[in-house]
Amino acid sequence: SAVISQKPSRDICQRGTSLTIQCQVDSQVTMMFWYRQQPGQSLTLIATANQGSEATYESGFVIDKFPISRPNLTFSTLTVSNMSPEDSSIYLCSVVRQDYGYTFGSGTRLTVV
Amino acid sequence: AQSVTQLGSHVSVSEGALVLLRCNYSSSVPPYLFWYVQYPNQGLQLLLKYTSAATLVKGINGFEAEFKKSETSFHLTKPSAHMSDAAEYFCAVSPGGYQKVTFGTGTKLQVIP
Repeated sequence: SAVISQKPSRDICQRGTSLTIQCQVDSQVTMMFWYRQQPGQSLTLIATANQGSEATYESGFVIDKFPISRPNLTFSTLTVSNMSPEDSSIYLCSVVRQDYGYTFGSGTRLTVV
Repeated sequence: AQSVTQLGSHVSVSEGALVLLRCNYSSSVPPYLFWYVQYPNQGLQLLLKYTSAATLVKGINGFEAEFKKSETSFHLTKPSAHMSDAAEYFCAVSPGGYQKVTFGTGTKLQVIP
């Protein structure tokens, strides 16, 4: 399956600051997805990122809070802006390939204090 | 729109007993269905997937699932539970075609010695 490297693996951040999470894939993929998993919850899709176009955000998520970049077919970043304790979650990137299906990164565990 | 419903947020089985985790789906198009496992403090790992081929799907670690269109179900089973199976299991659905995956709320499996 596709190998996804996600950085950082965890971080503790002060409220009001921003954190940028990086997702690197070992092969070119058309679509990348960013998910959030709040404590004790399931995964919720934040946005879908295609290379060369604006990300598509799900209901309840906005670009000002979660700006996403997708500069090429193997890389994407998600920024969590102006953080509050409610943003404490695991953030995961995911890719899909026809042969491998959906693969997830190991996640970024964010704690906002 | 697509969704999955996982019946039972917590399931306990004795070591060596049958594991049955229930998942029902709703989809307006032929679905792609998945089971993922998440061990404590780890990312998501794909157990198995159904992509409109054989209705009985075998996955890793001795798990399998059967797609039943008439019952709109995709239950996960394992004949004999091991202590190492203790984890959270997520059922998920996608319309395929590189589109997003929608997750169920998860089932935590406890294996009792």
